[in-house]
Amino acid sequence: QVQLQESGPGLVKPSQTLSLTCTVSGGSISSGGYYWSWIRQHPGKGLEWIGCIYYSGSTYYNPSLRSRVSISVDTSKNQFSLKLKTVTAADTAVYYCASLRGYYYDSSGYPQGGWFDPWGQGTLVTVSS
Amino acid sequence: QSVLTQPPSVSGAPGQRVTISCTGSSSNIGAGYDVHWYQQVPGTAPKLLIFGNSNRPSGVPDRFSGSKSGTSASLAITGLQAEDEADYYCQSYDSSLSGWVFGGGTKLTVL
Repeated sequence: QVQLQESGPGLVKPSQTLSLTCTVSGGSISSGGYYWSWIRQHPGKGLEWIGCIYYSGSTYYNPSLRSRVSISVDTSKNQFSLKLKTVTAADTAVYYCASLRGYYYDSSGYPQGGWFDPWGQGTLVTVSS
Repeated sequence: QSVLTQPPSVSGAPGQRVTISCTGSSSNIGAGYDVHWYQQVPGTAPKLLIFGNSNRPSGVPDRFSGSKSGTSASLAITGLQAEDEADYYCQSYDSSLSGWVFGGGTKLTVL
């Protein structure tokens, strides 16, 4: 079965760019059918969807983060990545990668619905000088 | 503030039944989007508990059940066990935000 694993620096300085990678094993990103997603959880808080990408490169972002977020996919490495620029202490969180499934498309071709499964174990990123 | 509203905490004694509510609006649950539930044991990643309002993934005990009505959904846990102590999150899709949204989470304490 599919497993996901996040990797990247655990400490990022304010104003710099946070970069994380999610490696998918047990299945191919290119097989299609799933959107590869990033979700974060601030310390002691709830979950926040950041964005997602299809293997073809189509991306969708949380409007509140859209100006700072970029998600990309490398099908040759079976990985997808997150970049969050100009970080502040408010971006300190556990970052999870997950697979979105069970979605469907609206009349405009925009994915809707669905649930996240499985999830990676998560990686804590602290923004501090 | 989360788009979906959950009670911060619920509690129950072993063997009892508890319910956790998830209240949305006309742009998410009320618009017909399904609700999904996750269980998160502290220090670990969320785990899918219920998908499509009331469906259990393989391996999830039938003590867990979900329902949806109008702009709300509920997660019920019967025969409470100590291992059920965790945080529970609901999730749906919001058409106004054009994105996936979560509840703020509910901490379940088994007394």
